[in-house]
Amino acid sequence: GAVVSQHPSWVICKSGTSVKIECRSLDFQATTMFWYRQFPKQSLMLMATSNEGSKATYEQGVEKDKFLINHASLTLSTLTVTSAHPEDSSFYICSANLIGGNTEAFFGQGTRLTVV
Amino acid sequence: GENVEQHPSTLSVQEGDSAVIKCTYSDSASNYFPWYKQELGKRPQLIIDIRSNVGEKKDQRIAVTLNKTAKHFSLHITETQPEDSAVYFCAASKGGSYIPTFGRGTSLIVHP
Repeated sequence: GAVVSQHPSWVICKSGTSVKIECRSLDFQATTMFWYRQFPKQSLMLMATSNEGSKATYEQGVEKDKFLINHASLTLSTLTVTSAHPEDSSFYICSANLIGGNTEAFFGQGTRLTVV
Repeated sequence: GENVEQHPSTLSVQEGDSAVIKCTYSDSASNYFPWYKQELGKRPQLIIDIRSNVGEKKDQRIAVTLNKTAKHFSLHITETQPEDSAVYFCAASKGGSYIPTFGRGTSLIVHP
């Protein structure tokens, strides 16, 4: 199946700093990637839809200035958590679908962010 | 927008028993219904899916049924094994946006 690689798998940062998370589709092109946040024992909460070459579409309640998304190529989307605070600590995970398909989502391995 | 409800939130069974997880959806235009398994600290992975033109699909010990009229679909796992223990998510999506809406997840615990 298709492979989505996410880096880093975990990161610890100081409060006030910024963290960048990368999501790459390794063997397919993805015009659209999705970014989720997952709290312990909870579901996947869609944060934003990342569109190649255009602005991301953010879900209601997600601060676009805090969670910067860039999708500069068909294989790479990045999520930058700016001025991170302890409440931003969470599991962030990306996914991508094959182009043109209402099909299964291929997920990255996720990033455990801890802000101290 | 789409709303997906999933029940139960926790399911505890003995090894060898069957497990059933149910989901309902609200948008009649949804036509793709995948099920994902997520082990602790790992990525969700597709285990089975069904499209709206099919009522049932089976893959070894796993089956999914879909009732379009009632707008609900279910995951059935037979002869459960301890390695089936994980969180299972249902989802619904439709053509055009392809954005999946996930259920809240079911934590399945299979006791040996």
